[in-house]
Amino acid sequence: DIQMTQSPSSLSASVGDRVTITCRASQSISNYLNWYQQKPGKAPRLLIYAASTLQSGVPSRFTGSGSGTEFTLTIRSLQPEDFSTYYCQQSYSTPTWTFGQGTKVDIK
Amino acid sequence: EVQLVESGGGLVKPGGSLRLSCAGSGFSFKDAYMSWVRQAPGKGLEWVGHIKSKVNGGTTDYAAPVKGRFSISRDDSLNTVILQMNSLKTEDTAVYYCTTEFYSNGYNNWGQGTLVTVSS
Repeated sequence: DIQMTQSPSSLSASVGDRVTITCRASQSISNYLNWYQQKPGKAPRLLIYAASTLQSGVPSRFTGSGSGTEFTLTIRSLQPEDFSTYYCQQSYSTPTWTFGQGTKVDIK
Repeated sequence: EVQLVESGGGLVKPGGSLRLSCAGSGFSFKDAYMSWVRQAPGKGLEWVGHIKSKVNGGTTDYAAPVKGRFSISRDDSLNTVILQMNSLKTEDTAVYYCTTEFYSNGYNNWGQGTLVTVSS
């Protein structure tokens, strides 16, 4: 299986900060990389697919980039509702789409 | 509006069985690939298995930890997908989510999840 590794595992930030989360794949996955946001007690929500395409309804302060084995999720100006856990996921190796371990973003 | 509603979770003893259902609405259910994803308490997300649409063969695939114990089926006349879980282990304790696959672009719709607890 393709292993996905996120860094950092957690971070503390303030409203208005720029936040970057990195996701690395154990082998090349082209641009088959998706990002999810999950709030406590809720189901995950797809934010970005195909590495950089914003899902409908997702604010433009979220951007994704990368290809091959290294990817980033950037939140341009952190808002109160963005404090959540974020997961990357590869969808290259069908059907076994593996997730990263998650990055928790909390308030500094 | 797309809705996925899971049901059937609960407490079961190790070695027991449980059947989860997921009812979908607001989209063309018969054309959708449906997946189950689980999340153990305080842990990350893990793909469990999926079923293709019948027009694409209706075949199933499973993650290694559940292969041979879990099975997925669908009833397109009822817009429902079923996860049958047998020989349950304590490590199967998790919230189980029903999802739709967005081609090869991840899971674009999720249910609210149903908690399965395997404990004696």
